[in-house]
Amino acid sequence: DTEVTQTPKHLVMGMTNKKSLKCEQHMGHRAMYWYKQKAKKPPELMFVYSYEKLSINESVPSRFSPECPNSSLLNLHLHALQPEDSALYLCASSRPTTVAGANVLTFGAGSRLTVL
Amino acid sequence: GQQVMQIPQYQHVQEGEDFTTYCNSSTTLSNIQWYKQRPGGHPVFLIQLVKSGEVKKQKRLTFQFGEAKKNSSLHITATQTTDVGTYFCAGEHRDSGTYKYIFGTGTRLKVLA
Repeated sequence: DTEVTQTPKHLVMGMTNKKSLKCEQHMGHRAMYWYKQKAKKPPELMFVYSYEKLSINESVPSRFSPECPNSSLLNLHLHALQPEDSALYLCASSRPTTVAGANVLTFGAGSRLTVL
Repeated sequence: GQQVMQIPQYQHVQEGEDFTTYCNSSTTLSNIQWYKQRPGGHPVFLIQLVKSGEVKKQKRLTFQFGEAKKNSSLHITATQTTDVGTYFCAGEHRDSGTYKYIFGTGTRLKVLA
């Protein structure tokens, strides 16, 4: 069993819908990440939160809006997505990201998103 | 930007044969991690290498970090069907005081029984 929980496991949405992906961890990690993974491709970093503050945004389109309400929770709000945004969205957590070599990523099982 | 390439992209081996995947970064890395992703699963951490020239072993798996800290390899001895999956290296990069991991392109391993 993974220690990072993601909901929902599957999501189908239209291009005009607003939906959210949720991620929760109780390992006391203070860094949380969103990755996007297309089929047969590596995970691609989207956002990094460190101590509940957004520290890295990899030039992600504004139709993806991350939120970190507290140290255990990470959300990804979705609005006006395109079919090419269909992918597996992976959440991960680690100890703080300010020390080199300290950040082993623990991934959740992912949310598979289909945009129609 | 940072790029991490892996070769080969795919590898099919007969059970019992050895397997090696190579990881090459365009920039020097402070450390490198390896992850395994089973079909339909999520990446799972295997190991981290920090020192130049470091070699680590985990049962049938041997990991190596290059002297220049720009390349790494994973070698599996006598593959088993449980080794099936995609192996990713991930290089650590510093970005405005925050460390992030850039994943390599991955090597997909199939083991034929």
